Amino acid sequence: DADVTQTPRNRITKTGKRIMLECSQTKGHDRMYWYRQDPGLGLQLIYYSFDVKDINKGEISDGYSVSRQAQAKFSLSLESAIPNQTALYFCATSDLRGEQYFGPGTRLTVT
Amino acid sequence: SQQGEEDPQALSIQEGENATMNCSYKTSINNLQWYRQNSGRGLVHLILIRSNEREKHSGRLRVTLDTSKKSSSLLITASRAADTASYFCATAGAGSARQLTFGSGTQLTVLP
Repeated sequence: DADVTQTPRNRITKTGKRIMLECSQTKGHDRMYWYRQDPGLGLQLIYYSFDVKDINKGEISDGYSVSRQAQAKFSLSLESAIPNQTALYFCATSDLRGEQYFGPGTRLTVT
Repeated sequence: SQQGEEDPQALSIQEGENATMNCSYKTSINNLQWYRQNSGRGLVHLILIRSNEREKHSGRLRVTLDTSKKSSSLLITASRAADTASYFCATAGAGSARQLTFGSGTQLTVLP
């Protein structure tokens, strides 16, 4: 996990607030991803980026936006948080083989 | 929507026994991967098998792939309490290997 870091690790916020989750990686990978995980379920892809100029929507991008500030940094924003965005959020990177390396996750609670 | 579906959803075995988890998927794939997740933590990559491969081994792990049945299995031999975790299969589509689609996972409990 140390190669992919996420901040904050836990966050409680109120409905309507803007929040940003940050991800940094030291693996030197071009490809980065944001996922959310709801209890007892698998991961759903929010956004992914294959380089600084390449941003793509995943299957559940509504209500989210991203910024790829550098090869090593990929941030996820919730412009106006709502309670059903309460979830565990993961950032990941991948090599050319497609194997993904995950950060430790951010537990987000929207009240 | 989720491409892969794991079976069973939950599995409880005694230490030393073998654990088998299955994954079925719907569309053609470039590769299939298995990941492990300890409670509330990030996923850890276990093994990748390409669509033209039928079986791969890594330590106590054995993965098989049957593209005609669109299914894969993960076998963990001689299980240990430390193997207790959720296991997910993930598929990379044949049209584009740019992203993975994860299944809902199998929760494995290994009793000491």
